[in-house]
Amino acid sequence: GAGVSQTPSNKVTEKGKYVELRCDPISGHTALYWYRQSLGQGPEFLIYFQGTGAADDSGLPNDRFFAVRPEGSVSTLKIQRTERGDSAVYLCASSTRLAGYNEQFFGPGTRLTVL
Amino acid sequence: QKEVEQNSGPLSVPEGAIASLNCTYSDRGSQSFFWYRQYSGKSPELIMSIYSNGDKEDGRFTAQLNKASQYVSLLIRDSQPSDSATYLCAAPAVGTGRRALTFGSGTRLQVQP
Repeated sequence: GAGVSQTPSNKVTEKGKYVELRCDPISGHTALYWYRQSLGQGPEFLIYFQGTGAADDSGLPNDRFFAVRPEGSVSTLKIQRTERGDSAVYLCASSTRLAGYNEQFFGPGTRLTVL
Repeated sequence: QKEVEQNSGPLSVPEGAIASLNCTYSDRGSQSFFWYRQYSGKSPELIMSIYSNGDKEDGRFTAQLNKASQYVSLLIRDSQPSDSATYLCAAPAVGTGRRALTFGSGTRLQVQP
């Protein structure tokens, strides 16, 4: 079956602009996670959803970052007033349930470059 | 102290040898551990999960868990050049109620032909 999909695969923007990154999880997966990965580091947690609600957004670095999942499937990560430090690969993952013992499967990621 | 720690490598092994990748974790309450493989420029791919003390084998891969020592390892038998990648160890993140994952920085493996 289809895996997690993310669009766009690459996004180049200018400092101060607004960007949206989209994630479409594996069909039937109710839990969805956003991570961010910088060069040479492992992915770092940003936010996760169980269904439509953000169950934990404690990893979001500041209030410029926001994510939604209005219908419990596709999620959008929104970044306002982008800064050069936001440049990273943004990864989305999904799992069958929201539990740490559940295997999470990653999408291909969106590489964000802020000039 | 990071929740999950790995040696960054690179770990270099000859083709056909056994590659041994190690990971330590700090949360004694963790019950599940995951190994992801990440090729350069690609996203992490889940290759092994382990939940119980002991060994779990899947093809050329064996994951080992020792909860008393808070140690997880991944063995790759008959290493191939195509195994050259970064291997990420992950465990449930305490700060998220153990729902999201926390990752080590990864160990880069190089298999020499």
